[in-house]
Amino acid sequence: DGGITQSPKYLFRKEGQNVTLSCEQNLNHDAMYWYRQDPGQGLRLIYYSQIVNDFQKGDIAEGYSVSREKKESFPLTVTSAQKNPTAFYLCASSGGGGRDTQYFGPGTRLTVL
Amino acid sequence: GNSVTQMEGPVTLSEEAFLTINCTYTATGYPSLFWYVQYPGEGLQLLLKATKADDKGSNKGFEATYRKETTSFHLEKGSVQVSDSAVYFCALKRSNYQLIWGAGTKLIIKP
Repeated sequence: DGGITQSPKYLFRKEGQNVTLSCEQNLNHDAMYWYRQDPGQGLRLIYYSQIVNDFQKGDIAEGYSVSREKKESFPLTVTSAQKNPTAFYLCASSGGGGRDTQYFGPGTRLTVL
Repeated sequence: GNSVTQMEGPVTLSEEAFLTINCTYTATGYPSLFWYVQYPGEGLQLLLKATKADDKGSNKGFEATYRKETTSFHLEKGSVQVSDSAVYFCALKRSNYQLIWGAGTKLIIKP
């Protein structure tokens, strides 16, 4: 089955700790994305990557970092510099003939205590 | 700049009622437009899309028409079911694979 996996589904961290969220896709997509979702708001783009070893900041990149060493993987690190990290994080990918369409993983809910 | 505005929710309807969720946009040119759906506790799924003016996207009984005159892309369904309860997001394509998202509209269908 092709798709996007995110792990874990729920994550708890203490304030001041860095935490890394996993995102893996087996759709052979070139582009991958990280979004943040807060209650009552639309999705906000954190980072995106169009190809391996390249990524660009989105609208709210401060306090986050990413890497894209493999086509399948696009991990997101939430650093201690992120002032309000508690949120629902969604990873997506796109590519192939339907480049406009983004396919989403199930999300990770991060709670910082 | 580009933006997407959706009607505020929640929208509460009875089963078999007619559904309209309004979406209007501001954009340069005629970007592709999308509706995504998010079921409770899950990621988003593409529901339908339209890539040019006057196109109609449709899927699972839902429809939306890309209207450039009114800069709208309203989502409609003739007869909703309890299983349609979800949050619906309207989005438009910015350049370089980026999407601009509406705030989402929560739909509640009562049996």
